[in-house]
Amino acid sequence: EVQLLESGGGLVQPGGGSLRLSCAASGFTFSNYAMSWVRQAPGKGLEWVSTITGSGYSTFYADSVKGRFTISRDNSKNTLYLQMNSLRAGDTAVYYCTKYKSRAILDYWGQGTLVTVSS
Amino acid sequence: AIQLTQSPSSLSASVGDRVTIACRASQGISSALAWYQQKPGKAPKLLIYDASSLESGVPSRFSGSGSGTDFTLTISSLQPEDFATYYCQQFNSSPPTFGGGTKVEI
Repeated sequence: EVQLLESGGGLVQPGGGSLRLSCAASGFTFSNYAMSWVRQAPGKGLEWVSTITGSGYSTFYADSVKGRFTISRDNSKNTLYLQMNSLRAGDTAVYYCTKYKSRAILDYWGQGTLVTVSS
Repeated sequence: AIQLTQSPSSLSASVGDRVTIACRASQGISSALAWYQQKPGKAPKLLIYDASSLESGVPSRFSGSGSGTDFTLTISSLQPEDFATYYCQQFNSSPPTFGGGTKVEI
């Protein structure tokens, strides 16, 4: 059974705050699949944030987070990460770890972790 | 980025109703469209991909159609567990984008 378990969310002050999200994956060959982060602001729709290929060699970012967020993975630990720097109020959202079925079809989602950027 | 417009944004229906949700892309995306269901407080769940392929384990009352710019998700006979918000998503080009969602209410 595929499982994706996020952690690392919390409350951070705007401006210079940072957080690192983690996603522990199990139930599939982690290194064979691209992974993504998708976020959802309170009461709003879904927004793709970032994707990393299975090898970790290629990464992609939404314009809204480019230069501030870094996606990475450790295939030896079956873990996906999202380093978030210079957080803003607009980054407040539930962040979901997702697995690619193929292309950008997201067939498994974690339960989400809430990031709140507020003073 | 490709924009996806869903309609309606919300609808009221009864158990047993046939429900149709539309998704229009701002430019052609071939059949590179997926549909997700999200219940309150839960993560989205993949229902349909490649516009009309049913994800494993998803009930056959869900179906998808369309290509190019116009797509449809149909629930043939609405069940109590189907009351949720539905999102379309395109994966034809980067960045992948989602529609604004359609809330299906009782």
